[in-house]
Amino acid sequence: NAGVTQTPKFRILKIGQSMTLQCTQDMNHNYMYWYRQDPGMGLKLIYYSVGAGITDKGEVPNGYNVSRSTTEDFPLRLELAAPSQTSVYFCASSWDLGAPADEQFFGPGTRLTVL
Amino acid sequence: AQKVTQAQTEISVVEKEDVTLDCVYETRDTTYYLFWYKQPPSGELVFLIRRNSFDEQNEISGRYSWNFQKSTSSFNFTITASQVVDSAVYFCALNNFNKFYFGSGTKLNVKP
Repeated sequence: NAGVTQTPKFRILKIGQSMTLQCTQDMNHNYMYWYRQDPGMGLKLIYYSVGAGITDKGEVPNGYNVSRSTTEDFPLRLELAAPSQTSVYFCASSWDLGAPADEQFFGPGTRLTVL
Repeated sequence: AQKVTQAQTEISVVEKEDVTLDCVYETRDTTYYLFWYKQPPSGELVFLIRRNSFDEQNEISGRYSWNFQKSTSSFNFTITASQVVDSAVYFCALNNFNKFYFGSGTKLNVKP
């Protein structure tokens, strides 16, 4: 049981390049989330998904896209990278918020720098 | 609008002191959840507690305790007899309708 895994751990992009951040969970969780954490700040929700085929925008979706074709995977796509997207990206998953012992499980993060 | 405010940017204490981290939230919804997470220097996020809006009972878990007061929209976190290993950034978060809103975090430095 690996929990939530993210790849890559680190990446440097040039302005205008594109990339996909991978996120996989093996806990059969329905809910998955993408956050960004800027230096010295809290996490901001980019996108989330309540199940395969269903995604919705969070607080800061501009410049990103997501898809959820399977329960396990929730990739985040950056198109036309900009310096403002330099951040640490966290993926998380959970059953749902109604379960008594529910919590969000976070991946280790991807540190992205756009130069 | 949903918002979480952690007014204390950074707190420094000496080991064995008690410390309280403040969290104030804003929401118009009657059903919501509140969370605390710990982010140690290694960067991962560790879940500490979840509370729903209908459960105002305070909770104690070892050296940790939480005080939830709907009347003041606060969900404060106290560490008793702090230890150096408690040094981390602590985040308070609000969730309703599947969206999480995090505070900006409080960095706790516990000195030996």
